Parts: sequence; C-alpha cells; structure tokens
Amino acid sequence: ILNVEQSPQSLHVQEGDSTNFTCSFPSSNFYALHWYRWETAKSPEALFVMTLNGDEKKKGRISATLNTKEGYSYLYIKGSQPEDSATYLCAFSMYSGGGADGLTFGKGTHLIIQP
Amino acid sequence: DSGVTQTPKHLITATGQRVTLRCSPRSGDLSVYWYQQSLDQGLQFLIQYYNGEERAKGNILERFSAQQFPDLHSELNLSSLELGDSALYFCASSASGGEGGTDTQYFGPGTRLTVL
Repeated sequence: ILNVEQSPQSLHVQEGDSTNFTCSFPSSNFYALHWYRWETAKSPEALFVMTLNGDEKKKGRISATLNTKEGYSYLYIKGSQPEDSATYLCAFSMYSGGGADGLTFGKGTHLIIQP
Repeated sequence: DSGVTQTPKHLITATGQRVTLRCSPRSGDLSVYWYQQSLDQGLQFLIQYYNGEERAKGNILERFSAQQFPDLHSELNLSSLELGDSALYFCASSASGGEGGTDTQYFGPGTRLTVL
C-alpha cells in the first residue's frame, strides 16, 4: 500500500504572509508527482505535474519543488491572498512495469487565509 | 470549468440497488479516470480507461465496473449498493494516458451518491 503523507493537515495564515507545506511519498519506482488545488464545492484543479528530481515549477505566486531521492515535495505560496484558501492535494504515481498506475492522493493540507 | 462533465450531480438510492454514473471527457482527451472520495478518506483511484480499453486498476470493488464507449464517454456502474458506498465520485480526463502518470488530469464536478 502506497502512503502519501501531507503536512500539516491544516494551516491558518495571515493575508500577505508566505507559507509552505510538504508532501512525502515513496521514493522507489517514482513516476510523477502532481499538485492540485481543491476549493470547497468545486472540483480539484491541476497546479503542477513534476517528474524530475530537482524540478521546480511556478505559477504566479505558487511554486513547487521536488526531491525524488528522499521522497518529498514542497509547495510554496508567496504573499497569501484570501482566494488562496483551499485544500492543496498532492498525488503520486509509481511505475509498475506495464506503465504508470493511477494516482495515489494524500489527504491534503487545508489552508485558510485570514484577512 | 474543466470541460469534463458528469451526470447526475446528485443521486439518492437504497441499499441493494444499482446505479450508473456518466462522464464525458474534455474534447480530444482519450483517457478517463474514476475516483471515489468517501468521508475521511482521500481521493481513491478506482480505474482508468484509455481509448476504450482498461488501462489501470486501483481499489475498485468487484461490485463496481466501468467502460468507455467509442465516443470516449465513460460509465461507472455500481451494484448491490451498501451504505458505505455513499461518496463523491469524480471522473477525470487527460490527453493521452499511455503514460498516464505524467498527464495532467482534469476533474469533473463529481456525482454525490447517497445510499440510504
């Protein structure tokens, strides 16, 4: 059974502050690491797909890094805004010989930005 | 709006019944994935179809089955329903799926199933 762990489970941040959170995943047979943003009453929205060790991706104020050797990824939000309030999910796929399996999701980090 | 559509939005049924959930992928996407979100559980991968054929299988119960039709829409069939099957069921699609783990997956709005 694959375990994808995200921490912290929830986070309260003041508007304007920067923040980051962690996704840990098995480092063997790594294939890809995905980050999603999930707002209440909406569907998960893709942020990044990362495949290479040392990958860094950026989208506006949000960026992510990847370390496949030690099995972790960080998501950073710079200058948090109220619209950043959401649950941030990471998901891992593993190579299984015939191709990649489906994504294994963590339970998410619930981020609340306080004005 | 991701371009992925799911129907119905809500479904209420009784234990022992059978239901069908429908998903239409984004235009041009060949892969469809089904996920289940139960209370206190993360998103659980059920099954993937690529261009009409089963591509990868996750924690899908034997009472559940899926298929993808020639027009690429997909249906998830849930039978002999139990209370524990109550959940939010998401469909996602991606452009290819031959290397599905690296494709961006676009999620539909979900179908909320309540089994009474």
